[in-house]
Amino acid sequence: QVQLHQSGPGLVKPSQSLSLTCAISGDSVSSTTAAWNWIRQSPSRGLEWLGRTYYGSKWYSDYAVSVRSRIAIYADTSKNQFSLHLHSLTPEDTALYYCSRDRGRYLDIWGQGTMVTVSS
Amino acid sequence: DIVMTQSPDSLALSLGERATINCKSSQSVLYSSNNRNYLAWYQQTPGQPPKLLIYWASARESGVPDRFSGSGSGTDFTLTISNLQPEDVAVYYCQQYYSSPYTFGQGTKLEIK
Repeated sequence: QVQLHQSGPGLVKPSQSLSLTCAISGDSVSSTTAAWNWIRQSPSRGLEWLGRTYYGSKWYSDYAVSVRSRIAIYADTSKNQFSLHLHSLTPEDTALYYCSRDRGRYLDIWGQGTMVTVSS
Repeated sequence: DIVMTQSPDSLALSLGERATINCKSSQSVLYSSNNRNYLAWYQQTPGQPPKLLIYWASARESGVPDRFSGSGSGTDFTLTISNLQPEDVAVYYCQQYYSSPYTFGQGTKLEIK
């Protein structure tokens, strides 16, 4: 049974950076048949896909244009996890953040969610 | 970006009735080389992450009751829930995964009368 467990801070100050981690059990971050995604949800923006990373002879990443200049998603094979790094936060980044697996780009496994508030 | 528009925004039906939720994409999500529609449906109950119900527009995820069915092709899709049950109260989302960014509809809230 594949599970994703998220960790990271719930409160970040404006202009600072956010780092969230998603630990994988029951699958491998290096799997060549899966990709590892971050999605966020807010009342104003709804569900918003942020990006993903996946392994296929080398590591690839794909990001939404809306955050491309300030996002990075990395895999850590030694810990079997992946992480989201989002820089230069503003209050508009306040949202519930989810990690998720896709196999074929539909999202079949989701983490429990982390509420992130950007406030001073 | 492909814009996904769902209708209605909300609906209230009685137990045992059939719910129909529509999703329209701003451009086709049918990939001609494999004749697959890159369209998924998710169910979200309060306090929970979205749950995958349907992928490739009509393939039911393992464990999802057969009361849930998906149909459509190209730009117009439908999620049908037959014989409504109390546990079906949720918000339902469509998502296209044809091209990045993988966009979602705004959601349809389903309630029981």
